[in-house]
Amino acid sequence: GAGVSQSPRYKVAKRGQDVALRCDPISGHVSLFWYQQALGQGPEFLTYFQNEAQLDKSGLPSDRFFAERPEGSVSTLKIQRTQQEDSAVYLCASSPRDRGESFFGQGTRLTVV
Amino acid sequence: KQEVTQIPAALSVPEGENLVLNCSFTDSAIYNLQWFRQDPGKGLTSLLLIQSSQREQTSGRLNASLDKSSGRSTLYIAASQPGDSATYLCAVIRGSTLGRLYFGRGTQLTVWP
Repeated sequence: GAGVSQSPRYKVAKRGQDVALRCDPISGHVSLFWYQQALGQGPEFLTYFQNEAQLDKSGLPSDRFFAERPEGSVSTLKIQRTQQEDSAVYLCASSPRDRGESFFGQGTRLTVV
Repeated sequence: KQEVTQIPAALSVPEGENLVLNCSFTDSAIYNLQWFRQDPGKGLTSLLLIQSSQREQTSGRLNASLDKSSGRSTLYIAASQPGDSATYLCAVIRGSTLGRLYFGRGTQLTVWP
């Protein structure tokens, strides 16, 4: 596709449910990032993939958060046993190379009730 | 730790004014700096990317400058229009780490007719 695509755009989960957020990066982009953006804040880094390798997961807030990119293209961010504090916009970005220009998707707004 | 600060947090101006948005970062050893625009409920749109070796970049009515030694960047918007209303985010990639972005909290700009 022409840009980074994320789905779903909106997700409402009951506390304790598991959720899976999908990111389709720009074709051929090596690098893929996940960020979390709380209301009124700048995005905060969660994790980074170079092709299928997860090279940095230092931003994941707890072991309830898990991300994968098994074939070096589509990525999924999974949150287990969701909590209210997980409510945020989750942004995916891709880049043609490490430390190149980043291109962002529209984000997934997660609301945990 | 890299910290990014944006001033002002909010700005409201009449149409036609020339604007300056400020961004400062604590660690001057950056690889590049990127300016983004974010419309309400949307993802981030890349505006300008400045490599650490560059002093400025221009795109249309936008001009971004970089003074790495003092840890500052400015985004200049000429002849502002109501369509420029959005949140503007500054982000840096550190020279010593993989390509994750460190973001400021943004400047919320309103341009009224």
